[in-house]
Amino acid sequence: DQQVKQNSPSLSVQEGRISILNCDYTNSMFDYFLWYKKYPAEGPTFLISISSIKDKNEDGRFTVFLNKSAKHLSLHIVPSQPGDSAVYFCAASYSGNTGKLIFGQGTTLQVKP
Amino acid sequence: NAGVTQTPKFRVLKTGQSMTLLCAQDMNHEYMYWYRQDPGMGLRLIHYSVGEGTTAKGEVPDGYNVSRLKKQNFLLGLESAAPSQTSVYFCASSYSESADTQYFGPGTRLTVL
Repeated sequence: DQQVKQNSPSLSVQEGRISILNCDYTNSMFDYFLWYKKYPAEGPTFLISISSIKDKNEDGRFTVFLNKSAKHLSLHIVPSQPGDSAVYFCAASYSGNTGKLIFGQGTTLQVKP
Repeated sequence: NAGVTQTPKFRVLKTGQSMTLLCAQDMNHEYMYWYRQDPGMGLRLIHYSVGEGTTAKGEVPDGYNVSRLKKQNFLLGLESAAPSQTSVYFCASSYSESADTQYFGPGTRLTVL
């Protein structure tokens, strides 16, 4: 039972344009959501997060939107840069869960120059 | 400050052999986690520890054992390796239960023939 799903295995965008990565979840207990970025042969690195009490969080070129009624979140990257090419994982957690993360399958983003 | 390190980086085992993966962190973190990453599956939690001398099962613990004898080290053991354990293993550590504070190691690529 996949509680966190990223239905698009890959995404290709042109440099300078917007990248939108999507994530859906099924567990209503989740109250904290994160995006991790992973380059080949490296471990995932934290990118941005959002609490369920918010519907938007921004950090520079990265914005995460949360739609609790639809159990959906998205990561927007504007403008996209070639260095953003990586695998992006959506993850979720809930309070009191000792920090355990449930990850989605990942989306490979390619930003073309 | 090396962060989270993993030993070895690569390993090939034959079915039935045993091995131990070592994770070390120099950030004085209380929480440590072992994940495995498989194609199309994202990262899945194997075991975790909330402090020295403690361990607990995650989402996919079967076939693995762990130990946390020292705060800085978290060992993952495979007593009798199986081809289904071919994967990339990531260790992570965190100073608190807050999910966005997990720092990941570079991973160990294990192949079981």
